Amino acid sequence: DAGITQSPRYKITETGRQVTLMCHQTWSHSYMFWYRQDLGHGLRLIYYSAAADITDKGEVSDGYVVSRSKTENFPLTLESATRSQTSVYFCASTKGGLAYEQYFGPGTRLTVT
Amino acid sequence: DQQVKQNSPSLSVQEGRISILNCDYTNSMFDYFLWYKKYPAEGPTFLISISSIKDKNEDGRFTVFLNKSAKHLSLHIVPSQPGDSAVYFCAARRPGNEKLTFGTGTRLTIIP
Repeated sequence: DAGITQSPRYKITETGRQVTLMCHQTWSHSYMFWYRQDLGHGLRLIYYSAAADITDKGEVSDGYVVSRSKTENFPLTLESATRSQTSVYFCASTKGGLAYEQYFGPGTRLTVT
Repeated sequence: DQQVKQNSPSLSVQEGRISILNCDYTNSMFDYFLWYKKYPAEGPTFLISISSIKDKNEDGRFTVFLNKSAKHLSLHIVPSQPGDSAVYFCAARRPGNEKLTFGTGTRLTIIP
């Protein structure tokens, strides 16, 4: 079982370029999330989605765009990459409800030069 | 405004001894708490959780304690093993909300 996958695993891009990070889950989980991990900040929520075509901003959403046309996919786009967006990005999903934890993908390490 | 805080960035413990990781929170609306473990170059993995109606939850070598009056939770690992070396994140959730608020993490190193 594939679970939750992210691609690419590593990406180097230049300032000002658009870049899309992909996330795919095979569990048919309703909820999906994007986080970034930075030293001293832990994991911060960028965007989340409760279902296909339903998305909402997290605490650090500026400069990012998401879409969710299918339940299993939740791509994250950096419209015009900046150096401050250099980070490790994690996608997660959950079935929802009190006792259900979030499951995380392996992460994408993005470097903006 | 850091609603979930892990004040110790790092912790070193001798193999076989107890590891205690701490987490404080400020939002009294949180009703569910989780601990995640993260190895380098991997995503976080769920470890253990606790509902606010309980004060303790145990799973093998891992026990989480919740002190609601102090807004404090702790993760105890007994006995500590080399494979426990990782970064540990605590997280909290509000009722009816699937979003998690994470702490900044504590890097645990188990010394053989």
